[in-house]
Amino acid sequence: GGIITQTPKFLIGQEGQKLTLKCQQNFNHDTMYWYRQDSGKGLRLIYYSITENDLQKGDLSEGYDASREKKSSFSLTVTSAQKNEMAVFLCASSIGSNYAEQFFGPGTRLTVL
Amino acid sequence: GEQVEQRPPHLSVREGDSAVITCTYTDPNSYYFFWYKQEPGASLQLLMKVFSSTEINEGQGFTVLLNKKDKRLSLNLTAAHPGDSAAYFCAVSAGSNNRIFFGDGTQLVVKP
Repeated sequence: GGIITQTPKFLIGQEGQKLTLKCQQNFNHDTMYWYRQDSGKGLRLIYYSITENDLQKGDLSEGYDASREKKSSFSLTVTSAQKNEMAVFLCASSIGSNYAEQFFGPGTRLTVL
Repeated sequence: GEQVEQRPPHLSVREGDSAVITCTYTDPNSYYFFWYKQEPGASLQLLMKVFSSTEINEGQGFTVLLNKKDKRLSLNLTAAHPGDSAAYFCAVSAGSNNRIFFGDGTQLVVKP
């Protein structure tokens, strides 16, 4: 088994601030993902990475940067937080084949004042 | 690209009743299908994964049906109980680029 950890669990920022979210996995998975989940809504893919130093844009990449520093970690940066923004950011990983399920972390809840 | 539509967005049933959630998808090359459960305040957990050769899969208290002709996937909780109250998400993979596409989710409430 393995685990995905996300830090911080709660993140409060100010409008215009640059904010960084971190994700670590010990599954030794190749592929990692960042999703945004708005309250009561589905998941929207922001960025994903199929291997170390790789980055692929998802459907919602504008306003975000990502970095896959090493195989086990994937970070997401909100480049300029929007006022009254509230969402949960979910990190996931998988072995990278198309039949493999994704395993999800507990999420980071973002609030922008 | 793939589009996944999930219905209904909200579902309320009585304990012991069945609850059916359905997803339709657009890409005829879709080959792998997943159902996830998200309990309040928690992250997503895999309920079941279904491959194209499988039409019916049974889990603990639920059945998944895949109809490739109609491009439809359904989750049937056969005798729902309050512990089943959660959000349920279908997800579809067309077999390329390591992406899976999620439905918007169904918020299920099971009343005692």
